[in-house]
Amino acid sequence: GNSVTQMEGPVTLSEEAFLTINCTYTATGYPSLFWYVQYPGEGLQLLLKATKADDKGSNKGFEATYRKETTSFHLEKGSVQVSDSAVYFCALSGDSGAGSYQLTFGKGTKLSVIP
Amino acid sequence: EAGVTQSPTHLIKTRGQQATLRCSPISGHTSVYWYQQALGLGLQFLLWYDEGEERNRGNFPPRFSGRQFPNYSSELNVNALELEDSALYLCASSHQQGVGTDTQYFGPGTRLTVL
Repeated sequence: GNSVTQMEGPVTLSEEAFLTINCTYTATGYPSLFWYVQYPGEGLQLLLKATKADDKGSNKGFEATYRKETTSFHLEKGSVQVSDSAVYFCALSGDSGAGSYQLTFGKGTKLSVIP
Repeated sequence: EAGVTQSPTHLIKTRGQQATLRCSPISGHTSVYWYQQALGLGLQFLLWYDEGEERNRGNFPPRFSGRQFPNYSSELNVNALELEDSALYLCASSHQQGVGTDTQYFGPGTRLTVL
């Protein structure tokens, strides 16, 4: 079945530091890949997505490239801010059988950015 | 454009009771997904509804059920509540799978506490 392995935190960085959160996946076929962010006490917000190999998703300074050869979708940001403190989830959407496209999530990475 | 809405925000029940959670999708979306986010268990897929029909369910007992109404809103019912049902329940909506984008957009969630 589909699975997502995500670097577990917590991760603590100083403001303006470089961020990488690793994510690898297992899936049949050609899944779509997503990063969602969850701020304290809130639901999930879509951060970025990529739907095919070599696509790069980007938003708010965050980037991730769909690498089929390494089955990875690592999240990066060149300079983090305190406001980026949140939990980040890597997810995939692929046919899990019977044409069902529910999301499969990693366990989440909690990021804390200190001034 | 209004996002996915969920009600109530918080729900407190006792063991053995029933809980009903509600979700309104983004206008134009026909698919509704339910996920459970329990402490230590991550995000797990519960149910998928599309065009009024249950299309798939995750690995949850039958006391988790629901329905989708003609206006595409959805209800999640949890019968015979157990302490371990305490979690954040997230609803997501998307266009019908296989038609257009497969991105799921999430609501703010309902926090269910079972005492």
